[in-house]
Amino acid sequence: ELKVEQNPLFLSMQEGKNYTIYCNYSTTSDRLYWYRQDPGKSLESLFVLLSNGAVKQEGRLMASLDTKARLSTLHITAAVHDLSATYFCAVVRIIPAMRFGAGTRLTVKP
Amino acid sequence: EAGVAQSPRYKIIEKRQSVAFWCNPISGHATLYWYQQILGQGPKLLIQFQNNGVVDDSQLPKDRFSAERLKGVDSTLKIQPAKLEDSAVYLCASSSPWDRDRGLGEAFFGQGTRLTVV
Repeated sequence: ELKVEQNPLFLSMQEGKNYTIYCNYSTTSDRLYWYRQDPGKSLESLFVLLSNGAVKQEGRLMASLDTKARLSTLHITAAVHDLSATYFCAVVRIIPAMRFGAGTRLTVKP
Repeated sequence: EAGVAQSPRYKIIEKRQSVAFWCNPISGHATLYWYQQILGQGPKLLIQFQNNGVVDDSQLPKDRFSAERLKGVDSTLKIQPAKLEDSAVYLCASSSPWDRDRGLGEAFFGQGTRLTVV
């Protein structure tokens, strides 16, 4: 059974600090996504990671994938308040299709 | 490009009543998903369709939940009868289908239907 674990589940950061969110999964996968969700909103795709060693960066966020370790990371550099949201990783296989982690609720404080 | 459309946005019903949600995926997307997201949790896959066939419904509570995809396009999700624990946001997503070269296409999500069972 495909299981996806994220940690931490809650993260409170000071503006300007760096931190990493971890996503572990239990079986081989086809690809991995990172999504952002603001309160009361739907899910917004941030990154798609296709293969081992893949690294994607957008602004202050950088995502990487290590398929051998079954681990993806989402690194936050010099956090700003606008990054406050819940971040989900989702692991994709043909069947079962896409399983989400529990999410990391990030709060960035001034 | 139009996104995934869902309706209604909000629904309040009493327990033991029935409710139905509707989803219109992005044009050309053969794969359609229904997810249940309980407050404070990650989305849980209920059912995945490929065209109008079911690919995965292993987590769908089949004694009360049902879903269909008409002609491989629109989909409806029904709950009958509803329980208090069904209160959640129901998200519909669609993607282009899996192929050998690209894998499963990126999933795009609708705005969701927030269900409150009282």
